Amino acid sequence: GQQVMQIPQYQHVQEGEDFTTYCNSSTTLSNIQWYKQRPGGHPVFLIQLVKSGEVKKQKRLTFQFGEAKKNSSLHITATQTTDVGTYFCALLSGGSYIPTFGRGTSLIVHP
Amino acid sequence: NAGVTQTPKFQVLKTGQSMTLQCAQDMNHNSMYWYRQDPGMGLRLIYYSASEGTTDKGEVPNGYNVSRLNKREFSLRLESAAPSQTSVYFCASSSRDRGPDTQYFGPGTRLTVL
Repeated sequence: GQQVMQIPQYQHVQEGEDFTTYCNSSTTLSNIQWYKQRPGGHPVFLIQLVKSGEVKKQKRLTFQFGEAKKNSSLHITATQTTDVGTYFCALLSGGSYIPTFGRGTSLIVHP
Repeated sequence: NAGVTQTPKFQVLKTGQSMTLQCAQDMNHNSMYWYRQDPGMGLRLIYYSASEGTTDKGEVPNGYNVSRLNKREFSLRLESAAPSQTSVYFCASSSRDRGPDTQYFGPGTRLTVL
């Protein structure tokens, strides 16, 4: 089956520092999705990437899809305490519409 | 619109007891899913339903059964609860009209099996 590795598992940063989480797949992907889960909450969809090399921005968040469509990253510039939570990538490959979720990266922001 | 709703929010069971987790969505989505979330393990798919009247096993189906009662409702049943089923359970739905689509999650049910 499809293998997904998401690193790091945890990241502590001081408010204002940047943060990046990486997602790697053992297979070529058709799409990748990113979700955010606040502590005690439920996952909420952030974005979907489809094209090789695609870069999308949402305010301070930058999402990138690798050229080979096997990896992706989420970068947050100048973190704020509101960024605290766990960020999940969700991979789709072949004709499947059911994503395989990574284990997530938990971001802790110290004020 | 309420989106995806789940009941109950919290539940404590004794080993061997049974219970049903309820999920409903009001977005007219075709597909519904049940996931469990354990610390450090991400979201693992238990069962899913591509459309009304169909259900399929996911990654971790053992010990669970599901029913897609109608287009809105998808329930998850634990026939004989075990401590290993202590987890947070999320229901999700997606429209899937034009391929992979956003998954909308419910608030979750926090289950403890003693």
